[in-house]
Amino acid sequence: GAGVSQSPSNKVTEKGKDVELRCDPISGHTALYWYRQSLGQGLEFLIYFQGNSAPDKSGLPSDRFSAERTGGSVSTLTIQRTQQEDSAVYLCASSSDRGLKPQHFGDGTRLSIL
Amino acid sequence: GENVEQHPSTLSVQEGDSAVIKCTYSDSASNYFPWYKQELGKRPQLIIDIRSNVGEKKDQRIAVTLNKTAKHFSLHITETQPEDSAVYFCAAVHGSSNTGKLIFGQGTTLQVKP
Repeated sequence: GAGVSQSPSNKVTEKGKDVELRCDPISGHTALYWYRQSLGQGLEFLIYFQGNSAPDKSGLPSDRFSAERTGGSVSTLTIQRTQQEDSAVYLCASSSDRGLKPQHFGDGTRLSIL
Repeated sequence: GENVEQHPSTLSVQEGDSAVIKCTYSDSASNYFPWYKQELGKRPQLIIDIRSNVGEKKDQRIAVTLNKTAKHFSLHITETQPEDSAVYFCAAVHGSSNTGKLIFGQGTTLQVKP
């Protein structure tokens, strides 16, 4: 049983470019979460998917951020027109259901905006 | 919105001593409180969690206590070992939304000196 898989592990890009980050959750997990961790900080919730329900986008910091989850499995987080303040580690987690079930994290994507 | 405060930000103990990390939360509807351990450059790993219907949970050298009235919960590590050195994060689920969205504390850097 593989854990949560994220790619790429590192991404360096120029300010203004668009980036796509990928998350492959644990097989069978219906809930998928994206968090952001800035240097030396805690984790900040971004967005949540559960089955076919509408995602909870309440944590997205601006309209430059969007995410989708195709077929109830793989998710892609897209950041358009990147800014330097977007530099952070983007972590994905999945759980077998929403609410009180443990969330298991991937290794994250370290995004650096030059 | 929900807020989670974590103290101390850094903690240094001698090997074999106990370590205690405390967190307070603001949303009285929160009902799930996980603790994560994050080693440098690694993913957060769930080490223990507690639900609001219990006051204490123990797993070998690790225990968590919850005081719902005071809205605080604590992590206790006994007989600390150098491999316990890491950053520890507490979290509280955003209870009113029932999405499993976690609100994290700012983290405690634990150093166990051999």
